[in-house]
Amino acid sequence: QQQVKQSPQSLIVQKGGISIINCAYENTAFDYFPWYQQFPGKGPALLIAIRPDVSEKKEGRFTISFNKSAKQFSLHIMDSQPGDSATYFCAASKNDYKLSFGAGTTVTVRA
Amino acid sequence: GAVVSQHPSRVICKSGTSVKIECRSLDFQATTMFWYRQFPKQSLMLMATSNEGSKATYEQGVEKDKFLINHASLTLSTLTVTSAHPEDSSFYICSARDAQASNQPQHFGDGTRLSIL
Repeated sequence: QQQVKQSPQSLIVQKGGISIINCAYENTAFDYFPWYQQFPGKGPALLIAIRPDVSEKKEGRFTISFNKSAKQFSLHIMDSQPGDSATYFCAASKNDYKLSFGAGTTVTVRA
Repeated sequence: GAVVSQHPSRVICKSGTSVKIECRSLDFQATTMFWYRQFPKQSLMLMATSNEGSKATYEQGVEKDKFLINHASLTLSTLTVTSAHPEDSSFYICSARDAQASNQPQHFGDGTRLSIL
């Protein structure tokens, strides 16, 4: 049973464009929602994370939007660059413990 | 920032061999570490939760006698794949929980690519 559903599976964006990835969760006890970036052959690296007491968090070109009532959160990558080409995973956990991961989104940024 | 070191990064061995993978937290104490498995183009699947000084907790469907986990210190957890077979070939990733860091409670290693011939 997948606790976090992620879409799209892949997306292609032009350099300078906006990449948007969406996630939905079921467990209302989740209280930590991170996004990870993974390059081939590497472990996932934390990109940005949010807790449910805020609706938006921005760090540089990356923004998380969080909708607690809809149980959804999304990642926006502004001014996408070729170096952003990677696989992105959303995740969720309760009490900073086990992470439930989404299926992943492969982002390709075309120069 | 906090670093988790995973070793080896890649291992190729013959079927029937046992393989040990190490996960170390370099600059913080980790009472809890997690082991994941990732197949190509798929997500991370949690295999087990490793608790320092106690038995690991395995996720449903993961054979505890196949994947032995030892967490003997606050900075080291090991995963041993016993009598490995080609179907055990995968990318194994560990993470360590930093209970003192609310902004980033888990740190991931760079993974181990296991190939069984």
